[in-house]
Amino acid sequence: GAVVSQHPSRVICKSGTSVKIECRSLDFQATTMFWYRQFPKQSLMLMATSNEGSKATYEQGVEKDKFLINHASLTLSTLTVTSAHPEDSSFYICSAPTGPDYGYTFGSGTRLTVV
Amino acid sequence: DAKTTQPPSMDCAEGRAANLPCNHSTISGNEYVYWYRQIHSQGPQYIIHGLKNNETNEMASLIITEDRKSSTLILPHATLRDTAVYYCIVRGSNYKLTFGKGTLLTVNP
Repeated sequence: GAVVSQHPSRVICKSGTSVKIECRSLDFQATTMFWYRQFPKQSLMLMATSNEGSKATYEQGVEKDKFLINHASLTLSTLTVTSAHPEDSSFYICSAPTGPDYGYTFGSGTRLTVV
Repeated sequence: DAKTTQPPSMDCAEGRAANLPCNHSTISGNEYVYWYRQIHSQGPQYIIHGLKNNETNEMASLIITEDRKSSTLILPHATLRDTAVYYCIVRGSNYKLTFGKGTLLTVNP
């Protein structure tokens, strides 16, 4: 079946630095990628939607200048957390719709820890 | 987007059927019901989805009421590895999946 490969699975960074998370669609073209964030013991919260070749759309309350999303090709979408702070520590997950009946495949997630 | 309501937790004995309910009373006619599960610190895993008819695949069965206001996910023979948070989601017209709090299913030996 369709696979979304997400890297890195874990990353620890210093406060003030930037971190890039990649999601690649394998064996299918992802014209759209959804980015979620999940804090401990909470549900997934949609952050933004990226579309290949156009600007991402962000959910209310999500800072677009802090969470930079690039979707330059049909198989790669990236999320860059800029000037990370400890409160950005979270589990970040990407998801792409797959197939004509719009099933969705999720990446395995990235655990970001900002120290 | 239609909201869903699920019990926060359920228990099930290993080998027995697990029946997870979901209420989506505000669902509209063209909105699909999706079920995903998430095992700790992993990405959600697709289970099944449906529109009107009952559906079955190798993982589970989905029973949707005739008025479409509720559905039940059935895991026919639960195993310990089925312990996870199960999310019932109504996909909106913008194709976004909005996650609720889900049901923590604990399968006991």
